Amino acid sequence: GENVEQHPSTLSVQEGDSAVIKCTYSDSASNYFPWYKQELGKGPQLIIDIRSNVGEKKDQRIAVTLNKTAKHFSLHITETQPEDSAVYFCAASEGNEKLTFGTGTRLTIIP
Amino acid sequence: GAGVSQTPSNKVTEKGKYVELRCDPISGHTALYWYRQSLGQGPEFLIYFQGTGAADDSGLPNDRFFAVRPEGSVSTLKIQRTERGDSAVYLCASSTGLATDTQYFGPGTRLTVL
Repeated sequence: GENVEQHPSTLSVQEGDSAVIKCTYSDSASNYFPWYKQELGKGPQLIIDIRSNVGEKKDQRIAVTLNKTAKHFSLHITETQPEDSAVYFCAASEGNEKLTFGTGTRLTIIP
Repeated sequence: GAGVSQTPSNKVTEKGKYVELRCDPISGHTALYWYRQSLGQGPEFLIYFQGTGAADDSGLPNDRFFAVRPEGSVSTLKIQRTERGDSAVYLCASSTGLATDTQYFGPGTRLTVL
């Protein structure tokens, strides 16, 4: 089955700086890669996703890159703000099926 | 519109008891997923419904866990003879059922087994 590894487990950045979180996956059949943000006591909220026919996607301050050959994808947050502090999860799936999640990155933005 | 809702938000039970957790998906979503999230971990897949049928139940840990979706909308996750190791947040998600469509998560039910 699919295995997703995520690094780092914790990340602290100064407000206004950029944050990068990286994930690798094992199953070459995976073709959908979402990123979720989870705040304390809440369910995961989708922030951006990418499908395997695209190498990069951007939405305002958030971008995701995908390297299918190397089986890794990354989340980039620019101009970080205090409200970006949360736990971020990457995930992978093959089509309309179960998501396999990484172990999460606790991002702290230092004012 | 309304998102995925889950009830109860918190459930405390004693070891050996039976519990039911409910999920109301987004209206019109044909696909429904259950995940379990232990403290400090990512969600782990339990079961996936497409309509009324379980399309994939490979994540259910043992036969104490069972889920139903009789009318293709609301789903109930049932746990028999609960154990302390079952304590976790149980998350439900739904999607339109189209390939690679977004899964929208509910707030979860925090289950504590004493």
